[in-house]
Amino acid sequence: SAVISQKPSRDICQRGTSLTIQCQVDSQVTMMFWYRQQPGQSLTLIATANQGSEATYESGFVIDKFPISRPNLTFSTLTVSNMSPEDSSIYLCSVDRGPGNIQYFGAGTRLSVL
Amino acid sequence: DAKTTQPPSMDCAEGRAANLPCNHSTISGNEYVYWYRQIHSQGPQYIIHGLKNNETNEMASLIITEDRKSSTLILPHATLRDTAVYYCIVEANAGGTSYGKLTFGQGTILTVHP
Repeated sequence: SAVISQKPSRDICQRGTSLTIQCQVDSQVTMMFWYRQQPGQSLTLIATANQGSEATYESGFVIDKFPISRPNLTFSTLTVSNMSPEDSSIYLCSVDRGPGNIQYFGAGTRLSVL
Repeated sequence: DAKTTQPPSMDCAEGRAANLPCNHSTISGNEYVYWYRQIHSQGPQYIIHGLKNNETNEMASLIITEDRKSSTLILPHATLRDTAVYYCIVEANAGGTSYGKLTFGQGTILTVHP
């Protein structure tokens, strides 16, 4: 298994500002993933973060809006930039602890944009 | 798009077995069936996965049909704490260095009643 800590757990932000979410893992992992869960919806993958390389973004998500850092094998950040109320969601990070493609998730960051 | 179809909701009495179905008629030979659940206000939790054989662990059993086009997750003795959204996911598994992403569908809301 893996212990994943996300900070902050929740935040209320003003439109036009940016928020950086941190994800810390208790051991080294190759891949980290960032998901968004809009109210009442399922999870949607934003991007895959591999240490030492640029993140790979899914269709509909761009680096300018969701810049990601992956400075080492236990840490990653996701920034939600120039926020609007439509960005109000839960943002979750996960790690892959193979073999078996089993992913372990953080508790998520609940973001409300006013 | 999700490759699975699940009923939107199910009910189960506490102490009884909960049988959650999943259809994945377009599954490929190298794709596994994964089950995760998300309890309210938490990140998703891995339950079990399998390729073609039935699998059992301390949480649940996974029954996969011989043609692999459908599967059933069985919680043998459901408790109130099993109330959650259950996601059936089909994804390729790259083995020891797997880094496959997970595509979540809408899942099944399981409600366990006293």
